[in-house]
Parts: sequence; C-alpha cells; structure tokens
Amino acid sequence: KNEVEQSPQNLTAQEGEFITINCSYSVGISALHWLQQHPGGGIVSLFMLSSGKKKHGRLIATINIQEKHSSLHITASHPRDSAVYICAAAINNDMRFGAGTRLTVKP
Amino acid sequence: EPEVTQTPSHQVTQMGQEVILRCVPISNHLYFYWYRQILGQKVEFLVSFYNNEISEKSEIFDDQFSVERPDGSNFTLKIRSTKLEDSAMYFCASSEARGGLSEQFFGPGTRLTVL
Repeated sequence: KNEVEQSPQNLTAQEGEFITINCSYSVGISALHWLQQHPGGGIVSLFMLSSGKKKHGRLIATINIQEKHSSLHITASHPRDSAVYICAAAINNDMRFGAGTRLTVKP
Repeated sequence: EPEVTQTPSHQVTQMGQEVILRCVPISNHLYFYWYRQILGQKVEFLVSFYNNEISEKSEIFDDQFSVERPDGSNFTLKIRSTKLEDSAMYFCASSEARGGLSEQFFGPGTRLTVL
C-alpha cells in the first residue's frame, strides 16, 4: 500500500471551475508539501504546511493532521494551471511522493 | 531569483559506464537532495545530504550510488555502473532547513538514458 495516496489521478475542468485535489497519508510526517510539475518536467514547490491552511493567490492548501489528509484547491482555474500536482510527505529528511494528479483545464 | 541548476540536461550512456550528475544548490542552503522519476512513474527519494554526510537514503540508493560535495558549490550524484533501469529523470533539490521544516527548491532535472 502506498504511504501517500492522491485523488483523483486525472482531472479535467472548464476554465473558471473550482478544483480540489486530495491527499491522504499513512505515515507520521514533519510536513506536507504540494508540488507542481510542468509538462516539460520541471518541479515547483507550491506549499509546505504542517498545520492549518495556507493561501497563495488562487491556490489554497489545507491539512488535517488528525485525519492525515490534505487538500489543494484552485479557485477560478485557468488553462495555465494545467500540470501534474504532487503531494509529498516529509519524514525528517526523507520524502514520500504521491503518484500525482494530472489536471487539464480547458478554455 | 536564486535557483538550483543541474548539468547536463540530458546524458546518454552505455550500460556499465559510470555517470556523474552535477547540481549547484542555492548558495545559502544547507540541505541537499537527489530524487529520480522513471518515465511515467512517481518521483522517488534517493538521498539527503547535510553537513558533508548522508542524512537519509532510500532502498534505491544502493552501493552503486554515491554523493559528494566536492567543493563549496557543487553537489554530485555518481552512478558507478549504470543499468538499463537507471534510465530516469534525476532531480536535485536544496533547502535552508530540514525537508520537513523548509521549502525545497528543485533543479530542472537531468534526463539519464542508459543504452
């Protein structure tokens, strides 16, 4: 069983829709990272959080430590948001990655 | 804005050959990481490095792999005798503090192809 599970695997949305990507983990963590992988392969860190909620522009990340669950929300989605979104659980200096959610936003 | 750089962007090698992948982390960062991503699969942790020694490594990081910080700027990953299954994208990352407490900044990756 994977230690980090993401859902959905694939997500197609119309421009402007509200997007939610979910992440569940089964291990004790230091923090939970949300990453964005562009079609060209590059990886960008979006959020690192260990409790509560963080917001950056149209992106919001939440985490519930007790339930071992995190969500990434995108408000007013745009085609440029199309990418693979990856959840990763940090355990000290080790990271366990989810398989990613491939988001496609259509104009 | 400071960034992590990696060279080469693409390396092609013959099975059994040694390869060295190079990374220049962000200058004030203290923690360094290597990850790999086999085509179509998820990113996997290989190793973390702090204070000139390995702090964590995964099962993937066997005796064929080694890491080094040969000078004040470079961080290298060496694969001694490459296998076909080593073909993957290798990402270097760095952070100011431990991975659980600090954002990680990723390099653009080196695509390794083993023939």
